[in-house]
Amino acid sequence: EPEVTQTPSHQVTQMGQEVILRCVPISNHLYFYWYRQILGQKVEFLVSFYNNEISEKSEIFDDQFSVERPDGSNFTLKIRSTKLEDSAMYFCASRRDRGLYNEQFFGPGTRLTVL
Amino acid sequence: EDQVTQSPEALRLQEGESSSLNCSYTVSGLRGLFWYRQDPGKGPEFLFTLYSAGEEKEKERLKATLTKKESFLHITAPKPEDSATYLCAVLNNAGNMLTFGGGTRLMVKP
Repeated sequence: EPEVTQTPSHQVTQMGQEVILRCVPISNHLYFYWYRQILGQKVEFLVSFYNNEISEKSEIFDDQFSVERPDGSNFTLKIRSTKLEDSAMYFCASRRDRGLYNEQFFGPGTRLTVL
Repeated sequence: EDQVTQSPEALRLQEGESSSLNCSYTVSGLRGLFWYRQDPGKGPEFLFTLYSAGEEKEKERLKATLTKKESFLHITAPKPEDSATYLCAVLNNAGNMLTFGGGTRLMVKP
């Protein structure tokens, strides 16, 4: 069964450093998302991406964040200058199209630890 | 702003003891209500989508129902392997963003 994959599974970085989190969505999916979950808190929406453009973003997704689909398979989230409060699990998700019952499928997540 | 509240926060059951989890929501226009299962350190795993009041979906020991203000996830005769956090989420009007509740952590003891 096709699934969303994410690398790395765990990333440790120093405050102020740039990180890139990578995702490979399900191959015939057209909509891509990033969510994050701080330990013990709710899953929070960051950004949605379609047709090489951001379609919606949350207040969390400020100028320090960017997304890119550099080729036909990868979808990346870049944090330019990490802060301690960026420590969280980051989940990528994908969705086939905008039909009524098209659920978002989530990857296993990348645990980001900012020291 | 869409809001989702789940209760209880945690639920301990004996194997075979049926129960229900609640998800209350307020949205400007419901595009879909989703149930996910999340195991520790893993991503949410899709279970069900519900769209309209009165709709029901079933999968093994799980049944999800929907009213205009809330959804229930009924667990019949649970087993220890059903232990997980169950998340409820609603899709916003633009169809882009899921708003999640805080989840119900279910523990089923043998």
